[in-house]
Amino acid sequence: ETGVTQTPRHLVMGMTNKKSLKCEQHLGHNAMYWYKQSAKKPLELMFVYNFKEQTENNSVPSRFSPECPNSSHLFLHLHTLQPEDSALYLCASSQDLSGGAPGETQYFGPGTRLLVL
Amino acid sequence: GNSVTQMEGPVTLSEEAFLTINCTYTATGYPSLFWYVQYPGEGLQLLLKATKADDKGSNKGFEATYRKETTSFHLEKGSVQVSDSAVYFCALSPMDSSYKLIFGSGTRLLVRP
Repeated sequence: ETGVTQTPRHLVMGMTNKKSLKCEQHLGHNAMYWYKQSAKKPLELMFVYNFKEQTENNSVPSRFSPECPNSSHLFLHLHTLQPEDSALYLCASSQDLSGGAPGETQYFGPGTRLLVL
Repeated sequence: GNSVTQMEGPVTLSEEAFLTINCTYTATGYPSLFWYVQYPGEGLQLLLKATKADDKGSNKGFEATYRKETTSFHLEKGSVQVSDSAVYFCALSPMDSSYKLIFGSGTRLLVRP
């Protein structure tokens, strides 16, 4: 148990569906991240939030829409996805981005395994 | 640019064997280096890290030394256990954006009894 939870753990959706992934951290952190883990590819950073503000969008298609209502919660809203979007979506958190201390640890949730049909 | 290269898996070992998983990196200056582990059905967990050259990170019998001259951060363990079966990821965070993690593609380790 790392203090980062994600729901649902598994999700199957059609290309016309709208769904949301939820992440919650209980670590008192201020920075939160979305990653995509596809088979045989390195983890890809998608979005970064610091103190509820988006600080990075790594050229992610607009069919992925993040939301961070507070420092403890992060959502990823999905709509009109493609089969190639099927992957494990991981949420992570860290203390914050402002210090810039080297070697800051990120804490990951267990992920949501998404299948787009 | 920044990148991490890991040896491809899977790596299959017998229990109590010696483990080495190679990792090399490309980065400007002195990035921080990490090993994360992902057990089946779980997210990534930090295994160990090193933030400057010649530092050695260690945890749970695993070790890795930050080698600036060879731009490497190889993971080693003297005697693996079945419970070490997992996917291991090498990663770096750049000096100028220390919150970013750039991962290698992962190496699957399977330890047989």
